[in-house]
Amino acid sequence: TQLLEQSPQFLSIQEGENLTVYCNSSSVFSSLQWYRQEPGEGPVLLVTVVTGGEVKKLKRLTFQFGDARKDSSLHITAAQPGDTGLYLCAGAKGQAGTALIFGKGTTLSVSS
Amino acid sequence: GAGVSQTPSNKVTEKGKYVELRCDPISGHTALYWYRQSLGQGPEFLIYFQGTGAADDSGLPNDRFFAVRPEGSVSTLKIQRTERGDSAVYLCASSLGLAGETQYFGPGTRLLVL
Repeated sequence: TQLLEQSPQFLSIQEGENLTVYCNSSSVFSSLQWYRQEPGEGPVLLVTVVTGGEVKKLKRLTFQFGDARKDSSLHITAAQPGDTGLYLCAGAKGQAGTALIFGKGTTLSVSS
Repeated sequence: GAGVSQTPSNKVTEKGKYVELRCDPISGHTALYWYRQSLGQGPEFLIYFQGTGAADDSGLPNDRFFAVRPEGSVSTLKIQRTERGDSAVYLCASSLGLAGETQYFGPGTRLLVL
């Protein structure tokens, strides 16, 4: 069974602080995706990482895919209140382009 | 352009009743997915359509759950004899259906079974 474990589950920080969210699995995934979900909305894709060791940057967000393609991390620099939300990692269940397996998510709260 | 839409946005029903949840995917998207998200959890896969056919229904929890997509566009998720444990947000997503294509999610239907 493919499972994705996310940590921490909850994170409450002050504006300007840095943070890292982790996504780990015992299974190898062909790709991992990171989503952000706000209350009352569906998840919105932030990034897809495909190659082991890959690092992608999206403004203040840095995403890394582990060399063995079993884990990933999301690092946010100088967090802002607008970063508040639920961050989810997801991997393809089978062949790429099919259903996704999601982690439980990390709820981030950034206060000013 | 229009995104994925889901109706109703909220549904309250009584235990034992039948409910239908509707999903309108992005025009031209051949793949459609249903997920269920319970409070404090990530979305859980239910069923995946490629065109009109269910390519993978392994996530449906039991035979009370059924989904159709008769014309390869709109899909309906049907739940019979609802139970309190069915209460959750039901999310629909669509994609172009090609390998690695992004799934675009709708806002979900919040189902509450009393």
